[in-house]
Amino acid sequence: NAGVTQTPKFQVLKTGQSMTLQCAQDMNHEYMSWYRQDPGMGLRLIHYSVGAGITDQGEVPNGYNVSRSTTEDFPLRLLSAAPSQTSVYFCASNPGLIGSPLHFGNGTRLTVT
Amino acid sequence: KQEVTQIPAALSVPEGENLVLNCSFTDSAIYNLQWFRQDPGKGLTSLLLIQSSQREQTSGRLNASLDKSSGRSTLYIAASQPGDSATYLCAVGRGYGGSQGNLIFGKGTKLSVKP
Repeated sequence: NAGVTQTPKFQVLKTGQSMTLQCAQDMNHEYMSWYRQDPGMGLRLIHYSVGAGITDQGEVPNGYNVSRSTTEDFPLRLLSAAPSQTSVYFCASNPGLIGSPLHFGNGTRLTVT
Repeated sequence: KQEVTQIPAALSVPEGENLVLNCSFTDSAIYNLQWFRQDPGKGLTSLLLIQSSQREQTSGRLNASLDKSSGRSTLYIAASQPGDSATYLCAVGRGYGGSQGNLIFGKGTKLSVKP
């Protein structure tokens, strides 16, 4: 059972480039989300989805786009990368049931130069 | 706005010691509180989840308590081992859009257990 899989593990972008961070889960979880982790800031919620076709903004959504066409996949798109988006990005999921913890992927470390 | 604070930011203890990590939050209207462990370069692993109606949860050598009225939670680790060395994160489920999966995190406590 793979759990939550994120690709790539590392990525370097130049300012202005776009890219998509991939996230897939094989646990049939309805809820998926993206967080970013910055030194001294803790993890902050970017976007989340409570099911296929449904997405919403979290605490820091600017500069990011998401879609949820299937239950399994929840890609995060950076439209025009900025140095401020240098961070470690984590995808998480849970079945949406009361008392169910979040399952996290291993993260994508993104550097924007 | 909900804020989650973890004290201390770092802790070093000798092997075998019992220890307590602290977490406080400013808004008592939470769905749940979760404790996670993060190893360097890795994702987060859920340790314990306490629903807002519960007072504590236990798993092996770990015990987490929740006092909503005072806005506090503690994670107690018994008989610490070098393998417990990691960063421990506290998060409250406050719910953007009503989803219990949306968490607000503290900055973590980095624990080092010396052999």
